[in-house]
Amino acid sequence: GAGVSQSPRYKVAKRGQDVALRCDPISGHVSLFWYQQALGQGPEFLTYFQNEAQLDKSGLPSDRFFAERPEGSVSTLKIQRTQQEDSAVYLCASSSLFPSNQPQHFGDGTRLSIL
Amino acid sequence: DAKTTQPNSMESNEEEPVHLPCNHSTISGTDYIHWYRQLPSQGPEYVIHGLTSNVNNRMASLAIAEDRKSSTLILHRATLRDAAVYYCILSANDYKLSFGAGTTVTVRA
Repeated sequence: GAGVSQSPRYKVAKRGQDVALRCDPISGHVSLFWYQQALGQGPEFLTYFQNEAQLDKSGLPSDRFFAERPEGSVSTLKIQRTQQEDSAVYLCASSSLFPSNQPQHFGDGTRLSIL
Repeated sequence: DAKTTQPNSMESNEEEPVHLPCNHSTISGTDYIHWYRQLPSQGPEYVIHGLTSNVNNRMASLAIAEDRKSSTLILHRATLRDAAVYYCILSANDYKLSFGAGTTVTVRA
């Protein structure tokens, strides 16, 4: 079956531009997560949605980062006024809610490069 | 979340077993032990998870110490496809995963 799909696969932007990254989760998955992975490091949690509700955004680095999931399926991570330190791979994951401790299924990420 | 300690790297020969250790001495009673792996240029992939008892699935086995302060991921017969970064993660809240640096596994043909 179809896994988590992320687009674009690669994104290059100039410093100061706004970018939008898209995530299509596995159909029917209630939970959706965004992670940021810097080069050579493990992924770091950014934010979590349950359906359309953003229940945890404690990992967002600054108010330039904004995520939404208006209809409880597709999600978009937006970064405004990008800076060079935003260069990273942005990973999206989804999971079912019940039973508890379901595995998270990850997409292959969007590699963002800020020039 | 409680922290885990893993070796930076391990090497194995193809078709031999691989034992990946993970120490988590500050684990709490509600923490599950999760293992994910990440192949180059791909997102992390779920491997296995457990709470107290040893667990087996088609990918691997998870051996959990009786005091739960350590665990070992066992790949029974390593293949070249198993070369990846392996992450041992504790999670009690069902969603936020803290990955750490993981163990880079190299498999020699």
